[in-house]
Amino acid sequence: DSGVTQTPKHLITATGQRVTLRCSPRSGDLSVYWYQQSLDQGLQFLIQYYNGEERAKGNILERFSAQQFPDLHSELNLSSLELGDSALYFCASSTSGDGAYEQYFGPGTRLTVT
Amino acid sequence: KNEVEQSPQNLTAQEGEFITINCSYSVGISALHWLQQHPGGGIVSLFMLSSGKKKHGRLIATINIQEKHSSLHITASHPRDSAVYICAVESSTLVFGAGTILRVKS
Repeated sequence: DSGVTQTPKHLITATGQRVTLRCSPRSGDLSVYWYQQSLDQGLQFLIQYYNGEERAKGNILERFSAQQFPDLHSELNLSSLELGDSALYFCASSTSGDGAYEQYFGPGTRLTVT
Repeated sequence: KNEVEQSPQNLTAQEGEFITINCSYSVGISALHWLQQHPGGGIVSLFMLSSGKKKHGRLIATINIQEKHSSLHITASHPRDSAVYICAVESSTLVFGAGTILRVKS
């Protein structure tokens, strides 16, 4: 158990809908990262937050947004969902916002868009 | 060309064999991570290294910064080592390799 929790575990929704994925980092970790893992693209970095502020942005679509709250949990919002958004979404946390720190991964949320 | 290349893509080994998975990268990095993903999907961080060698149990990871290359070795492999092993390099963000699917047969 990494200490990182994600909810829900599974989510099935229809095209055009909006969903929110939630992540609680390990106690004491200030950084939260979001990743998408699809069959055709593999693992891709989406976005990083550190202590409530956006720190780095990767291949995140404009339909997607995220935030980190004062209690350090984070939410990833996916809107106008398309079939291609079906994927595993992982969050990870680390102690620092800078690089070269181990990241601890949550169990993931499996999103299926029908 | 991908920034992170792993080889082999697939690997089948007999229990007890010594296994090597390779990772080459083309960008400057601050660290390299080796991750393990089991069929259930969960990802576990095995190693993070920026130089030299690290060992944890039967797993050994090495990195050569000059050659931009890292290897993950598994000694005395066991069926429970069957998983996908993913190399990821850290520059400004993590960039992942495509993964190596390892199957260890008993």
